[in-house]
Amino acid sequence: NAGVTQTPKFRVLKTGQSMTLLCAQDMNHEYMYWYRQDPGMGLRLIHYSVGEGTTAKGEVPDGYNVSRLKKQNFLLGLESAAPSQTSVYFCASREAGNPLNTEAFFGQGTRLTVV
Amino acid sequence: AQKVTQAQTEISVVEKEDVTLDCVYETRDTTYYLFWYKQPPSGELVFLIRRNSFDEQNEISGRYSWNFQKSTSSFNFTITASQVVDSAVYFCALSESPKAGGFKTIFGAGTRLFVKA
Repeated sequence: NAGVTQTPKFRVLKTGQSMTLLCAQDMNHEYMYWYRQDPGMGLRLIHYSVGEGTTAKGEVPDGYNVSRLKKQNFLLGLESAAPSQTSVYFCASREAGNPLNTEAFFGQGTRLTVV
Repeated sequence: AQKVTQAQTEISVVEKEDVTLDCVYETRDTTYYLFWYKQPPSGELVFLIRRNSFDEQNEISGRYSWNFQKSTSSFNFTITASQVVDSAVYFCALSESPKAGGFKTIFGAGTRLFVKA
């Protein structure tokens, strides 16, 4: 059971380049999230999705775009990377509706460096 | 708005000491969920516990225990007889009820725990 898989695990970008991070989950979860983790700041929510075809902004959405064309995939795009986007990115998913199973399952993280 | 505060940035203890990690939260919802996650040096996030706002019963799981107090909006985590393997960053998180339209899980900044042998 793969759970939540993030691709790639590591990436180095030059300022101004674009890239897409892929998150795939095989648990049929409705909700999916993208977080970034920076030292001393915990995990901050970038964007999230409550279902296929829907996305919403989180705490720090600027400079990122997302798409949820398929329920199992949640893509995070950086159109023009900046050094401030150097971070570790985590994708997460969780079930909807059942309050007893609302913990998030996380991917292994993507370490992105923008030079 | 939701907010989670973990005031302790780093804690250092000697093995076998007890340690409590503090978590204070803010929410306007009456139904919400609280979580603790562990992030060991390997980097993955490991779910530890979940609590809903209607269940203030404290929980013990081995050397781990959690104290949830709505009166002080706190959800503190205690490790008894700490071990070197407990060294990690611990995150407290808050999720609002889907009925309230809150689908987000918000995390605190984390507390880095060092357990020395």
